[in-house]
Amino acid sequence: GAVVSQHPSWVICKSGTSVKIECRSLDFQATTMFWYRQFPKQSLMLMATSNEGSKATYEQGVEKDKFLINHASLTLSTLTVTSAHPEDSSFYICSAGRTEPYEQYFGPGTRLTVT
Amino acid sequence: GQNIDQPTEMTATEGAIVQINCTYQTSGFNGLFWYQQHAGEAPTFLSYNVLDGLEEKGRFSSFLSRSKGYSYLLLKELQMKDSASYLCAAQDSNYQLIWGAGTKLIIKP
Repeated sequence: GAVVSQHPSWVICKSGTSVKIECRSLDFQATTMFWYRQFPKQSLMLMATSNEGSKATYEQGVEKDKFLINHASLTLSTLTVTSAHPEDSSFYICSAGRTEPYEQYFGPGTRLTVT
Repeated sequence: GQNIDQPTEMTATEGAIVQINCTYQTSGFNGLFWYQQHAGEAPTFLSYNVLDGLEEKGRFSSFLSRSKGYSYLLLKELQMKDSASYLCAAQDSNYQLIWGAGTKLIIKP
């Protein structure tokens, strides 16, 4: 159990366009979902924490108007990168958390390339 | 502030044993996680420690000392497929994961 999927697995888009990434918990209800960004050869950086039905909590330095997070249900969260720029090119990973045991299950990640 | 330290890179030989250390400083503590991450892939869960002591899972074991803010991941009978980055993450009082930069483990035949 505890499978998290992400879609798409990779995407190439043009500068200035928007991209939506979906994160789904397939066999459990996720009380909390997390969005991370990882640049090459660097550790995971938490972007935001979202709880179902409420606004996401963004980490310092992450622009909430640029990275729109919607957590509409206990099994789905979406991250929309608006007006993407080449510097937004990164590996975006979501994880879903359960209350007991408190552990995060990671999606496979989405590689975004902005040209 | 909150901080996780682990070595940047380690090299070991196939069939040998390697220990990857991690020290942490967090605001509150709700557990220590180890994840394995192969290049280009998301991390996969290896272990979780919240009490002092050693947890063994097959070839992998993880140790925690809360008083010392210290953990290690022990990998036995190393295989080539164990070449990966190993991420240490401490969970703070808000249950957020504070990530180390990862230790790149290189296994040589």
